[in-house]
Amino acid sequence: DAGVTQSPTHLIKTRGQQVTLRCSPKSGHDTVSWYQQALGQGPQFIFQYYEEEERQRGNFPDRFSGHQFPNYSSELNVNALLLGDSALYLCASTKTGVGFEAFFGQGTRLTVV
Amino acid sequence: AQSVTQLDSQVPVFEEAPVELRCNYSSSVSVYLFWYVQYPNQGLQLLLKYLSGSTLVKGINGFEAEFNKSQTSFHLRKPSVHISDTAEYFCAVVYNFNKFYFGSGTKLNVKP
Repeated sequence: DAGVTQSPTHLIKTRGQQVTLRCSPKSGHDTVSWYQQALGQGPQFIFQYYEEEERQRGNFPDRFSGHQFPNYSSELNVNALLLGDSALYLCASTKTGVGFEAFFGQGTRLTVV
Repeated sequence: AQSVTQLDSQVPVFEEAPVELRCNYSSSVSVYLFWYVQYPNQGLQLLLKYLSGSTLVKGINGFEAEFNKSQTSFHLRKPSVHISDTAEYFCAVVYNFNKFYFGSGTKLNVKP
């Protein structure tokens, strides 16, 4: 079991560009959540996808959007990148109704210049 | 509103000494509590969790935590730390649909 896999591991973008990050959940998991971890801070909840729908959303602007595919994998899209979007983006997967345990990927380090 | 406070941003400790990392939460409803560890340039790894039952929870790598409902705390402890425990530790609460609220983290620095 490969666990939660994220790609790419590192990414450098220019202000104003758009970026797509990808996540494959742990085998058997059906829910994917995305978190932003700025330097020196704890992860902040962006949104969560279940059954291909956004189920919950944190306090992030509409520039942050996502998608979940039938195979439960997910994408995080960020438009009009700002310097402040530089962070580690973490994907977490869970299985609905089982123990609340979230498995996290290694993250994607996004640097906006 | 849910929030998690980790009272110490950094904790230096000598190898083989005991350590306690403090975590307090605020919630008006029942919560589930977690501790995660993050090594440099890596994701989060679950140390332990409290869902219900015994308030003393044992986790991996010799860590344990005690849930104290009256003090709304979930402090993490280890009786004897190793150099390899140097990492950042995050306390988290979740109360619905697996949405985690994380504290700001405590960096544990174990010195030889």
